[in-house]
Amino acid sequence: NAGVMQNPRHLVRRRGQEARLRCSPMKGHSHVYWYRQLPEEGLKFMVYLQKENIIDESGMPKERFSAEFPKEGPSILRIQQVVRGDSAAYFCASSPTGDRYEQYFGPGTRLTVT
Amino acid sequence: KNEVEQSPQNLTAQEGEFITINCSYSVGISALHWLQQHPGGGIVSLFMLSSGKKKHGRLIATINIQEKHSSLHITASHPRDSAVYICAVSTNTGNQFYFGTGTSLTVIP
Repeated sequence: NAGVMQNPRHLVRRRGQEARLRCSPMKGHSHVYWYRQLPEEGLKFMVYLQKENIIDESGMPKERFSAEFPKEGPSILRIQQVVRGDSAAYFCASSPTGDRYEQYFGPGTRLTVT
Repeated sequence: KNEVEQSPQNLTAQEGEFITINCSYSVGISALHWLQQHPGGGIVSLFMLSSGKKKHGRLIATINIQEKHSSLHITASHPRDSAVYICAVSTNTGNQFYFGTGTSLTVIP
């Protein structure tokens, strides 16, 4: 059973471009969480999704950020018009249930905005 | 004030030493997690506990619910234990998940 997969592992974007980060949960998991780790800071919750639904987006910046988890395919975290402050490591975790205490983390995508 | 506080922030130890990392939290929790983040960034879940003590190899995690405190111990530390150790809690209300800022451990041969 493969673990949580994220791609790309490293992503470089110029200011103003769009960044798309993908997360494939573990097999059988229908709950996905996205977290951001800014340089020199701890992990912060961004959004919690279940298949085709956003359950909790209280940690998402109000503009430029969106997330989806379609019926088929990976979860996507999309950042439009990236700025230098978006440079961070983005982690996703998946869970077989909605219980956040049982989460399995992916390896992360390191986004660098130049 | 953060919901989860860890200490120390940085820790350097000689190989073989016994290591303790502490975590205090201020919210009601359903579970506490210890995570390990290696250079290169990947996160591995070490323990999830809601009471008592768990042991896995040289790692031991304890939690005291009344005192809202947990400790992660590493016995006979090894350079490959060098990593950032993160404490996180899942709350029992509102289904939130909070992280500490991590403890950076370096074990010197």
